[in-house]
Amino acid sequence: EAGVTQSPTHLIKTRGQQATLRCSPISGHTSVYWYQQALGLGLQFLLWYDEGEERNRGNFPPRFSGRQFPNYSSELNVNALELEDSALYLCASSFWWGANRADTQYFGPGTRLTVL
Amino acid sequence: AQRVTQPEKLLSVFKGAPVELKCNYSYSGSPELFWYVQYSRQRLQLLLRHISRESIKGFTADLNKGETSFHLKKPFAQEEDSAMYYCALRGTGSARQLTFGSGTQLTVLP
Repeated sequence: EAGVTQSPTHLIKTRGQQATLRCSPISGHTSVYWYQQALGLGLQFLLWYDEGEERNRGNFPPRFSGRQFPNYSSELNVNALELEDSALYLCASSFWWGANRADTQYFGPGTRLTVL
Repeated sequence: AQRVTQPEKLLSVFKGAPVELKCNYSYSGSPELFWYVQYSRQRLQLLLRHISRESIKGFTADLNKGETSFHLKKPFAQEEDSAMYYCALRGTGSARQLTFGSGTQLTVLP
């Protein structure tokens, strides 16, 4: 079974530009989560999509946005890039059984975003 | 608010020695607790979760609601256990994202 895939592996941008990161979940998974792993800040939750809708977002400014497509893949867009956006961005997928049911998040390899 | 604390950033033990990685959490409801591991140059992967009460690669973790802890233990550490370990908590309802601790880098010395 193929795992979660992310593209590109590395992305280099300059301040003020926009970045688009992509994630393909495990087949059958409907939920996609985005996390930021910045140096010294650990893993922080960014966004959660399920069935094409944004279900929750973390404490990040609105220039971090995304969407989920009908095939459950997802994009993370970061506008007006700042130097501190440099980080590893992880995508995870799961199958959400419903309220209070157990599900496990499986992670992709990440996209390393560098803002110069 | 949900919070996960891993007090040790670095932990070194000798091969064959017992190892315990500490994790404490703060959550008002009934959380689900997980341990994830990241080996060098590999993706983050699930090690175990409290709801399964299983042992993976010799590791176990017991959820102690009284002490709000979920410590990871292994009686005899192996060199291949050297990795970064993250404790994570998942809430319920619209808060189903994972809240991670800051991680503990475990080094098993020969």
